[in-house]
Amino acid sequence: RKEVEQDPGPFNVPEGATVAFNCTYSNSASQSFFWYRQDCRKEPKLLMSVYSSGNEDGRFTAQLNRASQYISLLIRDSKLSDSATYLCVLGTSYGKLTFGQGTILTVHP
Amino acid sequence: NAGVTQTPKFRVLKTGQSMTLLCAQDMNHEYMYWYRQDPGMGLRLIHYSVGEGTTAKGEVPDGYNVSRLKKQNFLLGLESAAPSQTSVYFCASSLGSGAYNEQFFGPGTRLTVL
Repeated sequence: RKEVEQDPGPFNVPEGATVAFNCTYSNSASQSFFWYRQDCRKEPKLLMSVYSSGNEDGRFTAQLNRASQYISLLIRDSKLSDSATYLCVLGTSYGKLTFGQGTILTVHP
Repeated sequence: NAGVTQTPKFRVLKTGQSMTLLCAQDMNHEYMYWYRQDPGMGLRLIHYSVGEGTTAKGEVPDGYNVSRLKKQNFLLGLESAAPSQTSVYFCASSLGSGAYNEQFFGPGTRLTVL
């Protein structure tokens, strides 16, 4: 079983739609949780960290359920510029990161 | 402030050739990492360093060596390249290893081994 599992998609949604991505993880020792964004042929960039209490950054909301080992990302009012691959990422010792395979999102007019 | 830079950006090797990928960061970060990314897979950690003069193995270290002689540089070497090492290689750095320290990535090196 992969350490981090994501639905690879692709998700194709119209502008203005709300879309949700889910991620499950198997390593209960994971210390920190993130969503990274990766544009085509570019490097990953941090979108947001995910905290146990849940957190929101503008149109983006992230949730963490440690008991179920489940992380989610909600994007409201999708923009064309949100088209990218979204990576679910776990942090462990020494700052090491474990990446999911990513979920592809395409927002169309 | 260039952040994290990688050289070269692209490279084509023949099986058995050797090469070194250079990663440089100007943010005075202690921690540096090398990842590879293959189609349909997440990034996988090859090697990492927790400070100048230190290196450690990650998830997929076989076939690679690394060195961190200067704090700002982290080198990844392929002694005898194999087609299975065709991949996109990303370097990253972070200030520390605290739970929510952000990793900053370089633009990547696209390597093809024929």
